[in-house]
Amino acid sequence: KAGVTQTPRYLIKTRGQQVTLSCSPISGHRSVSWYQQTPGQGLQFLFEYFSETQRNKGNFPGRFSGRQFSNSRSEMNVSTLELGDSALYLCASSLSVLGLRAFFGQGTRLTVV
Amino acid sequence: QQQVKQSPQSLIVQKGGISIINCAYENTAFDYFPWYQQFPGKGPALLIAIRPDVSEKKEGRFTISFNKSAKQFSLHIMDSQPGDSATYFCAASGQGGSEKLVFGKGTKLTVNP
Repeated sequence: KAGVTQTPRYLIKTRGQQVTLSCSPISGHRSVSWYQQTPGQGLQFLFEYFSETQRNKGNFPGRFSGRQFSNSRSEMNVSTLELGDSALYLCASSLSVLGLRAFFGQGTRLTVV
Repeated sequence: QQQVKQSPQSLIVQKGGISIINCAYENTAFDYFPWYQQFPGKGPALLIAIRPDVSEKKEGRFTISFNKSAKQFSLHIMDSQPGDSATYFCAASGQGGSEKLVFGKGTKLTVNP
C-alpha cells in the first residue's frame, strides 16, 4: 500500500511569488492535514480537510490556503511568499475525521530567497 | 502558548541503555497522545500512542507511561540501539473537538555504539 505522497520534494521560490504544494493521501484515507515544520517553531498545524471541507485551521495568515478534491488529494497554496515561509511542509492522512493514526508524507522543502 | 512541553531537547545514550523523553500538557481536553519518530529528510512516523484511560502501553522496546493527574506522559526506549538515533516528538490531540495534533518541540536522540 503506497504511503502519503507529496510533490514536489524540493522547491525554491522568490519572495513575493506564490507556490502550490500537492499531497496524495493513502488510498482510502479521507482526512488530510497540513503542518509546517521549522527549526524554531517545530511542527505547527496549518489546516485539516475531510470530504473536501476544511474542518480546522491553524493560526496562520490568510496567505496560506488549501483545498481538498473529491479523490481526497489535497493542495495547499501560499501567496506572496516571505523569507519566513521557508520550511518543511508536511501532509498527513488518516482514515477518519478523527485524525487518529495520522501518517505523514516526506514533506516538501520550500526555500524562499 | 506552548501547549505540549517536551524535554530534554537532546539526549545521548549508550547502546543498550534506556532512553527517556518526557512531555507535559496543559489542556485537559486532550484525549490522544501519540509519539512520532523522525529521521533526517523523512516525515514523522507514528511510533506508539496512548489514550488517557490507561497508564501504560508497551510495543516492543517502546513504552508510553501516562500520568493523567500530573498531565504528563513519557516515552521509554529500552535497549536503545544506534538505529534509534532520530528526533522524537510527542503530541496531543482532541482539544475542544478538534483533532489537530499539537506537537512538542522534539528531542534529538543519539545512541552511541
